[in-house]
Amino acid sequence: KQEVTQIPAALSVPEGENLVLNCSFTDSAIYNLQWFRQDPGKGLTSLLLIQSSQREQTSGRLNASLDKSSGRSTLYIAASQPGDSATYLCATSNTGKLIFGQGTTLQVKP
Amino acid sequence: EAQVTQNPRYLITVTGKKLTVTCSQNMNHEYMSWYRQDPGLGLRQIYYSMNVEVTDKGDVPEGYKVSRKEKRNFPLILESPSPNQTSLYFCASSLRGRANEQFFGPGTRLTVL
Repeated sequence: KQEVTQIPAALSVPEGENLVLNCSFTDSAIYNLQWFRQDPGKGLTSLLLIQSSQREQTSGRLNASLDKSSGRSTLYIAASQPGDSATYLCATSNTGKLIFGQGTTLQVKP
Repeated sequence: EAQVTQNPRYLITVTGKKLTVTCSQNMNHEYMSWYRQDPGLGLRQIYYSMNVEVTDKGDVPEGYKVSRKEKRNFPLILESPSPNQTSLYFCASSLRGRANEQFFGPGTRLTVL
């Protein structure tokens, strides 16, 4: 059974710092991996989707990588801003199901 | 505007009183699914539907029913709600299933007393 783990559970950084969020998964037979952002009391917003055949995806200051062989994905955020403060979730997709990690709650201090 | 809508957004009810949470998408997506989010347990999939009249269980389907009579709607039915179904519920859709980007609704916060 697929298990998705995100470490750390919480992270606090000063504004302007580059940072990396980690996501690991136990079953490499995935169709894709998706990163989401969730603001308190709100729904999930899709950030990046990496298909299983891809190694990375970029959108603005965000870059996500995927290494299926090691069961790992990272989300790199460049030049962090206070508006980046949110919970970041990764999810793997396989056989119709999405399996989510528990998320990393990021706080970017001005 | 392309979106997934859920109603109601907030609901307080009592044990045993049947309820339905509606979900609708205007993007002509084939795939729709329901999740619940609980502190310490994260997001877990309840049911999903690959297309009209095709539904399948997720990881936590007990106590829930769904139907997919039309492409745009995917209601979640709790026939006899219990306090352990108190949770934050999300509906999501994607163009053609698991390989595509998932779009989430705003969530429904349900409290069962």
